[in-house]
Order: sequence, then C-alpha cells, then structure tokens
Amino acid sequence: EDQVTQSPEALRLQEGESSSLNCSYTVSGLRGLFWYRQDPGKGPEFLFTLYSAGEEKEKERLKATLTKKESFLHITAPKPEDSATYLCAVQRGAQKLVFGQGTRLTINP
Amino acid sequence: DGGITQSPKYLFRKEGQNVTLSCEQNLNHDAMYWYRQDPGQGLRLIYYSQIVNDFQKGDIAEGYSVSREKKESFPLTVTSAQKNPTAFYLCASSMAAGGNQPQHFGDGTRLSIL
Repeated sequence: EDQVTQSPEALRLQEGESSSLNCSYTVSGLRGLFWYRQDPGKGPEFLFTLYSAGEEKEKERLKATLTKKESFLHITAPKPEDSATYLCAVQRGAQKLVFGQGTRLTINP
Repeated sequence: DGGITQSPKYLFRKEGQNVTLSCEQNLNHDAMYWYRQDPGQGLRLIYYSQIVNDFQKGDIAEGYSVSREKKESFPLTVTSAQKNPTAFYLCASSMAAGGNQPQHFGDGTRLSIL
C-alpha cells in the first residue's frame, strides 16, 4: 500500500537555528514528490517538485532533496515567517497524490 | 490574478441536509480535485476530474457527489449519507491530465454540523 510518513509531527526552533524535516515514502512507480507549505486556515501552497533520486531544489531558505526512500526539506537560518505546516505528497498514477500528515514548524524570534 | 476560488469559507449543515461547496478556477487547468483534511491526518482524495463531463472516485467518495459541466467549475455536494462531514475541504487543479504537474489549491471551505 502506498504510504507517506512525515517526521517529526511538530518542530520548534529558534530564529536562525537550521534543521531538516523528513518525508519517508513507499510507493510503486514514483512519478513525483511534492512539498507544500500550509498556513492556518489556508490551502497548501506549492513549493517544490522532485522527480528522481539525487535531485535537489532550492528556494530562499528552503532546500529539498530526494533519495529512493525519502525526501528532506532543509531549512537554513529560518525566520518567524517560515512558521507553517509543511506537507509532503507523492504521485501515483494519473496525478493522484498521497499526502503525509505534515510537520508543524514553529520558529521563535 | 489567476487562481482557485472556493466558497463559502464557512458552511454549516443540518441533519439530513445536502450542501454544495463551490470551486472555480481561472487557470485554464484541465484537471480538478477535491480533498478532505482532518486534524492530524493527511489530505484524502474524494473525487477528481481530468476533463469536462468526466470524473472518478477517489479514496473516500462515499457520501459525496460531483459534477464537471464546465472546465472552470467542479462543485462538490456533501450528501446526508456522509455521516461525519465535519472537516476542511480543499479544491485543487493542475494542468494537463496524466502529467507530473503540481496541483494548486484554493483556500478551503470549513464545514461544520449544526
């Protein structure tokens, strides 16, 4: 069965303290892995797509990496505005996504 | 600005009542989706449509119905058969069907039971 597990469930950091979020997956025939950011009461906002092991994508303080079994979202020198829930999803079949439960990130000033 | 508009933002349902959630997109996307989000759980797919006048059941379609009469619109009806409808409902769209394009989301409708 296709499955996506994100860890930790919640993470609290001080401003400037770098860390990583993990997304482990089991899916037959991975067609893409997606990272989203979700603010409270809002819809998910697309961040990155990764297609193959070894691929990396960067955007401001965020960098996403992919291996054959997991993806990491690295956050470098985070700011309070980076506080959000980060969602990981894998694509199976025709655009059908399987989502993890998310990591709730809090950055304290 | 292009985007996905969901309405209403908040909706209350009485026992035995059907309610319809609206989703409109002006991104010229072919594919549209409905997800349900519950606290502590990942998004779960209810229905999706890859083209006008065609749609498929997702993982949790029981108690829901959809239509796709126009490319821009994909309304979701929560029927009285859905016994646990309280959730945050998200609509999404993506470009060509069958490709690896990211899905883009609206800002959701929160449905509660009166």
